[in-house]
Amino acid sequence: GEDVEQSLFLSVREGDSSVINCTYTDSSSTYLYWYKQEPGAGLQLLTYIFSNMDMKQDQRLTVLLNKKDKHLSLRIADTQTGDSAIYFCAASGGYNKLIFGAGTRLAVHP
Amino acid sequence: DAGITQSPRYKITETGRQVTLMCHQTWSHSYMFWYRQDLGHGLRLIYYSAAADITDKGEVPDGYVVSRSKTENFPLTLESATRSQTSVYFCASSVGGVVGDTQYFGPGTRLTVL
Repeated sequence: GEDVEQSLFLSVREGDSSVINCTYTDSSSTYLYWYKQEPGAGLQLLTYIFSNMDMKQDQRLTVLLNKKDKHLSLRIADTQTGDSAIYFCAASGGYNKLIFGAGTRLAVHP
Repeated sequence: DAGITQSPRYKITETGRQVTLMCHQTWSHSYMFWYRQDLGHGLRLIYYSAAADITDKGEVPDGYVVSRSKTENFPLTLESATRSQTSVYFCASSVGGVVGDTQYFGPGTRLTVL
């Protein structure tokens, strides 16, 4: 079945760019998602990309998709302390089932 | 209007007891989902429901029971709780089951089984 992997931790300085990476195994995944989880809260959809796209930009967020390598990344420009959270990559696994990675904890320091 | 809510937010129980976690959504979404979140595993799908009275197993259904008599409610029952079921449980809903339909998540229930 589908497997999604992410690095577990990323630390960046405030104002720098953050890049969170994700790899997935099922090349038939149609949609790939990024969710954000703040402490004590549920998951909030940040953005998603359709598998026939290479890039999607939404304000400070840029998603890059390399279908050949099954690699997805999320770039956050001008990272702020409010961006500190856990970021989950997810791949569509048939119908509307989502397969999640373990999450990347982003720590932003001054 | 709260959207999607879960209750209780925190629960401590003992091994062997029955526990029911509640999920309620106000959007009349057709699809509802239960996930568990464990360190190192991300979120794993337990059960999902396409409509009232239609449910199906996800990745990790063993030890759990669901029902959906009304569109807005999707309770998850642990019939005889085990320590391995200590986790954070998230409920989610989406308009439909088409790939790409956004799933909206509740705030979660942290369950501890002693």
